[in-house]
Amino acid sequence: ILNVEQSPQSLHVQEGDSTNFTCSFPSSNFYALHWYRWETAKSPEALFVMTLNGDEKKKGRISATLNTKEGYSYLYIKGSQPEDSATYLCAALTGGFKTIFGAGTRLFVKA
Amino acid sequence: NAGVTQTPKFRVLKTGQSMTLLCAQDMNHEYMYWYRQDPGMGLRLIHYSVGEGTTAKGEVPDGYNVSRLKKQNFLLGLESAAPSQTSVYFCASSYATARTGELFFGEGSRLTVL
Repeated sequence: ILNVEQSPQSLHVQEGDSTNFTCSFPSSNFYALHWYRWETAKSPEALFVMTLNGDEKKKGRISATLNTKEGYSYLYIKGSQPEDSATYLCAALTGGFKTIFGAGTRLFVKA
Repeated sequence: NAGVTQTPKFRVLKTGQSMTLLCAQDMNHEYMYWYRQDPGMGLRLIHYSVGEGTTAKGEVPDGYNVSRLKKQNFLLGLESAAPSQTSVYFCASSYATARTGELFFGEGSRLTVL
């Protein structure tokens, strides 16, 4: 079973701080890496789907990078806002099309 | 747009009872998934389907059965519910092709087994 690890488990930051999280996954048989944003009482929503080593994607103040050779991805949030408070999930897609999720990083942004 | 719809949203069962969760998607997706979400453990894959009439086991399939008789529906069954199956269940779907693979989730079904 593919093991996807995320760190830290939770993070408290002040409004305006920039922050980043890590997702690590086995680099063999890699197919794709997803990032999702999950607000309380809602469903997870996709932020990024990344497939190529060296990929870098950006959506507003949020960006992500991917290193498939060493098996990690970083998610960055620039100038955190209270509305960024959520759980950020990463998921690795194997060649068998199973999508295996990490436990998530819970972000709290204080105004 | 409905997207992915799960029913029921909430259910309380007694140990040994059976029930079925229904997931319906209107996006013509080939792939459908059932996950369970437990505190501190993230989303764990129960079963998935790569197309109508096909199903496969995920990480935690024991105690569950699934069926995909129609492309738009993916059913998750509990034949004899156990307290360990108390969880929030999420259905998801995705396009068949490859590299997008972005999952679209339902709103979740909270199941309590007493």
